[in-house]
Amino acid sequence: KAGVTQTPRYLIKTRGQQVTLSCSPISGHRSVSWYQQTPGQGLQFLFEYFSETQRNKGNFPGRFSGRQFSNSRSEMNVSTLELGDSALYLCASSLEGQGQETQYFGPGTRLLVL
Amino acid sequence: AQSVTQLDSQVPVFEEAPVELRCNYSSSVSVYLFWYVQYPNQGLQLLLKYLSGSTLVESINGFEAEFNKSQTSFHLRKPSVHISDTAEYFCAVSQAGGTSYGKLTFGQGTILTVHP
Repeated sequence: KAGVTQTPRYLIKTRGQQVTLSCSPISGHRSVSWYQQTPGQGLQFLFEYFSETQRNKGNFPGRFSGRQFSNSRSEMNVSTLELGDSALYLCASSLEGQGQETQYFGPGTRLLVL
Repeated sequence: AQSVTQLDSQVPVFEEAPVELRCNYSSSVSVYLFWYVQYPNQGLQLLLKYLSGSTLVESINGFEAEFNKSQTSFHLRKPSVHISDTAEYFCAVSQAGGTSYGKLTFGQGTILTVHP
C-alpha cells in the first residue's frame, strides 16, 4: 500500500498570503489529522477530520482551517500568513475500527514564510 | 488533557552501547502510548506502541519500551545501537477510548546521536 502523501513538499510564501496544503491518506483510512512542527513549540495538534467532519481541534487561531473530501483526502488552509507560521506541517491517517488508535505520518510540507 | 515529558533533549552514545530514552506522561484518563522516530527532512515513523496487554513492547529493529503505570513512564531502550539509529525520537500519548484517537500529544523529542 502507498503511504500518506503530502503536496507540495516545499512552499515559500510571503506574509499576508494564504496557502493550501494537501494530504492523501493511506487507502482505506478515513481519519486524517494535521500537526505543526516547529523548533520552538515542537509537534502540536491542529485538527482531525473523519467522514468529512472535524472531530477534534487543537488550540490554533481561526486562520488555520481544514476540510476533508468524500474520498478522505484532506486539505488545510492558512490565511493571512505570519512569519511564525513557518513550520513543517505533517499529516497523519488512521483506520476506523480496529487500528484506529495508530496514526501513520506523511513526509510533511515545509512552509517558509518571508 | 495529557502531557508528555521527555527527560533528555540530547543523548550521545557510542556504537554498540546500550541506550535508554526516557518518557513520562501525565493524564487523568487511560492512554495509549507511542514512540515515533524522525530522520532528517522526513516525517514520523511509528517505532512501537502500547495499547493494552503485555507492558513490554518491541519493535522489529531491536528497540523495546516498557509501560509502567505506577510511574507513568514509557521508556525506550535498545541494548546495542547502530550508527543508523541516529535520529530524533518522540514519545506520544492519546486518550484511550472515546473519539480522541486522532489527537496525539507529543513530547519535545530526544535527539539520539550514535558515535563510531
